[in-house]
Amino acid sequence: LAKTTQPISMDSYEGQEVNITCSHNNIATNDYITWYQQFPSQGPRFIIQGYKTKVTNEVASLFIPADRKSSTLSLPRVSLSDTAVYYCLVGAWNQGGKLIFGQGTELSVKP
Amino acid sequence: EPEVTQTPSHQVTQMGQEVILRCVPISNHLYFYWYRQILGQKVEFLVSFYNNEISEKSEIFDDQFSVERPDGSNFTLKIRSTKLEDSAMYFCASSEWAGLTSYGYTFGSGTRLTVV
Repeated sequence: LAKTTQPISMDSYEGQEVNITCSHNNIATNDYITWYQQFPSQGPRFIIQGYKTKVTNEVASLFIPADRKSSTLSLPRVSLSDTAVYYCLVGAWNQGGKLIFGQGTELSVKP
Repeated sequence: EPEVTQTPSHQVTQMGQEVILRCVPISNHLYFYWYRQILGQKVEFLVSFYNNEISEKSEIFDDQFSVERPDGSNFTLKIRSTKLEDSAMYFCASSEWAGLTSYGYTFGSGTRLTVV
């Protein structure tokens, strides 16, 4: 599984767009990039997943450049309730399905 | 939206006692997992389970741990003789298949285990 590096923490204000970048220089051809969100005392929650270019859903967008060595999770117009830890995971997950979580990025949204 | 349900939400037990943590995965999911998170630390993989057997387990999942799917709906994690260092949040998760889905893995809200 490819190692990921993301900022330990970020601060933002309500209404702003937040971009969290994750580096994964050793990503393999079969690997996908997945982001999870975790609120205190709750289980991680799937946000978005992609392989290349751009993926958008009702919650976020995921930008992946052509070399796939990094990815950016974009949260449009954050609110206080987006305060959470965000995890970037990289893997193929087709043989056992183990997810390996790093330390994640602790996002703090202020009023 | 379908949920993974875990019970109890909080359990306090004495060191050396056996505990069973219970989970009801999403009904059409085939793959089941247990993770744990010690306070302030990372979410750690414990074990994955498919077709009534363990698919993979971490080094944390030693002989003190066991998993079972006793019927068609429940998935349990048993710790035979709890230690203080077993105190953590334990999360159950399930997925339709051990691969790539549009919805990822669904985690439960966790059981906070406190060993005293």
